[in-house]
Amino acid sequence: EPEVTQTPSHQVTQMGQEVILRCVPISNHLYFYWYRQILGQKVEFLVSFYNNEISEKSEIFDDQFSVERPDGSNFTLKIRSTKLEDSAMYFCASSNLNEQYFGPGTRLTVT
Amino acid sequence: AQSVTQPDIHITVSEGASLELRCNYSYGATPYLFWYVQSPGQGLQLLLKYFSGDTLVQGIKGFEAEFKRSQSSFNLRKPSVHWSDAAEYFCAVGTGNNRKLIWGLGTSLAVNP
Repeated sequence: EPEVTQTPSHQVTQMGQEVILRCVPISNHLYFYWYRQILGQKVEFLVSFYNNEISEKSEIFDDQFSVERPDGSNFTLKIRSTKLEDSAMYFCASSNLNEQYFGPGTRLTVT
Repeated sequence: AQSVTQPDIHITVSEGASLELRCNYSYGATPYLFWYVQSPGQGLQLLLKYFSGDTLVQGIKGFEAEFKRSQSSFNLRKPSVHWSDAAEYFCAVGTGNNRKLIWGLGTSLAVNP
């Protein structure tokens, strides 16, 4: 069964460093998403991506964040200069609009 | 504003007992409603969804949910819980053209043997 994969499973970085979180969505899906879950809080929508451009983004998704689909298979989330409050579990999802399939997540720890 | 409320943060049931997890939503249009489950160290797995039609929907692992528009609710049920059902359960509503998901805080389910 096709699945969404994410790498790495855990990333530790120092404040101010850039991180790139990687996702491989399900191959025939057209919509891609990033969500995050800070420990003890709700899962929050960050951004959706369709037709090679951002289709919607939340207030959280400021200029420090960017997404890219560089090669038709990977879907990446970049945080340019990480802050302590970026520590969270980041989930990638893909869909053909109706059902979103999630990856296992990347736990980002900013020290 | 769109929101999802799961009033129960933590629930403990005995194995074999019935289960109902509550979910209330606030959304102006016809909602697309979902229940996801997250086991420790795992990703988010879709249990079931409601888009339209029959308000009682069946999902995987013996779960079902009922959409009640008048109560703005989408409660998850299972007639007989198994120890392997211990997990975190999330209710979500899909909104907008992209169906971005707005999530509840989740309900942590513990199952006593």
